[in-house]
Amino acid sequence: DIQVTQSPSFLSASVGDRVTITCRASQNIRSYLNWYQQKPGTAPKLLIYYASRLQSGVPSRFSGSESGTDFILTIDSLQSEDFATYFCQQTFSDPRAFGQGTKVEIK
Amino acid sequence: QVQLVQSGAEVRKPGSSVRVSCKASGYSFSAYTINWVRQAPGHGLEWMGRIIPVSGAAAYAQRLQDRLTFIADVSTGTHYLDLSGLRPEDTAIYYCARMDTDLALDFWGQGTWVTVSS
Repeated sequence: DIQVTQSPSFLSASVGDRVTITCRASQNIRSYLNWYQQKPGTAPKLLIYYASRLQSGVPSRFSGSESGTDFILTIDSLQSEDFATYFCQQTFSDPRAFGQGTKVEIK
Repeated sequence: QVQLVQSGAEVRKPGSSVRVSCKASGYSFSAYTINWVRQAPGHGLEWMGRIIPVSGAAAYAQRLQDRLTFIADVSTGTHYLDLSGLRPEDTAIYYCARMDTDLALDFWGQGTWVTVSS
């Protein structure tokens, strides 16, 4: 099974900050890495798919990149509505595991 | 517009079974795989498995496969999750989510709370 290790688990930041979250896959997943945002009491929302493609309607301050088996979600100029928990997921093969999550809180 | 509408909250005793439904609309039901994901209180997302509606072929997370069944009813456009032998640790929100052609979960149901308690 492919493991996905997400870091950090918790992140404290201020409005306007640049934030990065990393997921590392245990083997090659050929860019099949997606990022989701979840706010309390709601279902996850797709932000980035296939490592770097922005889902329709998602603000351009969100971006994704990859380097080998490392994947990065970047939020440029953090806004108040971005304080949430973020998850990555590999969909290259079953089981399509999620990362452990990163909670982004206000400093 | 694409919608996945799930059934309401359930309370079950340990050892019993539960069925969660997920009514799809706004897209071609048979064309998209549905994934099931759950989230225990205060925890992360757990992938449970997926089903291809046109064939009914399913893949299950190994630790759940003995207790878990997915059904896709093409005639009504509804997906079902059946979980048996319930344990307190199965208490969670259960989500259905559509997998798009890029293998991302692009639309999600609103979630169904399942509580397992004696």
